[in-house]
Amino acid sequence: DQQVKQNSPSLSVQEGRISILNCDYTNSMFDYFLWYKKYPAEGPTFLISISSIKDKNEDGRFTVFLNKSAKHLSLHIVPSQPGDSAVYFCAASAGKGGATNKLIFGTGTLLAVQP
Amino acid sequence: SQTIHQWPATLVQPVGSPLSLECTVEGTSNPNLYWYRQAAGRGLQLLFYSVGIGQISSEVPQNLSASRPQDRQFILSSKKLLLSDSGFYLCACSTGGRGQPQHFGDGTRLSIL
Repeated sequence: DQQVKQNSPSLSVQEGRISILNCDYTNSMFDYFLWYKKYPAEGPTFLISISSIKDKNEDGRFTVFLNKSAKHLSLHIVPSQPGDSAVYFCAASAGKGGATNKLIFGTGTLLAVQP
Repeated sequence: SQTIHQWPATLVQPVGSPLSLECTVEGTSNPNLYWYRQAAGRGLQLLFYSVGIGQISSEVPQNLSASRPQDRQFILSSKKLLLSDSGFYLCACSTGGRGQPQHFGDGTRLSIL
């Protein structure tokens, strides 16, 4: 049972345009969401997070939007740069992860930014 | 900020051989530690987590085990590797309690022949 879903395995975007990466979840107890970026042969790097008490969080070129009623979140990258080309993982936790801070990850979306 | 060391970066092992992957953390104390596996074309699957020395929780039944002999050391082991154990193994840590992101090491690519 995949509680966190990234239905688009890949996305191609032109440099300078907006990249929109989507993530859906099924567990209504999730209250903390994160996005990670991963280059090949490296570990994921934390990008940005959002708590369920918010519907938007912004950090530079990266903005995460949360729609709790739709159980959907998205990551917007504006403007997209070739260095943004990587796999992006969405992750979620319930009770802000609790004492264990456990995260459930999606399957990832490969973003390719074309120069 | 914490730094996570994993080694080796790549490993090729025959079926039936033992395994020991090590993860050490610098720059923090009493972290939560995690082992994940990423199989080809799949997401990150949590295998084990630990909230303290000697405390290990397993998330999925498998051919692997984990140990935490020291506060900042986490070891992933197997007595006899299977072909299905191939994958990219990642160690992660988190500190500061609830709502804190996990930070990852650079992983070990394990190939079973």
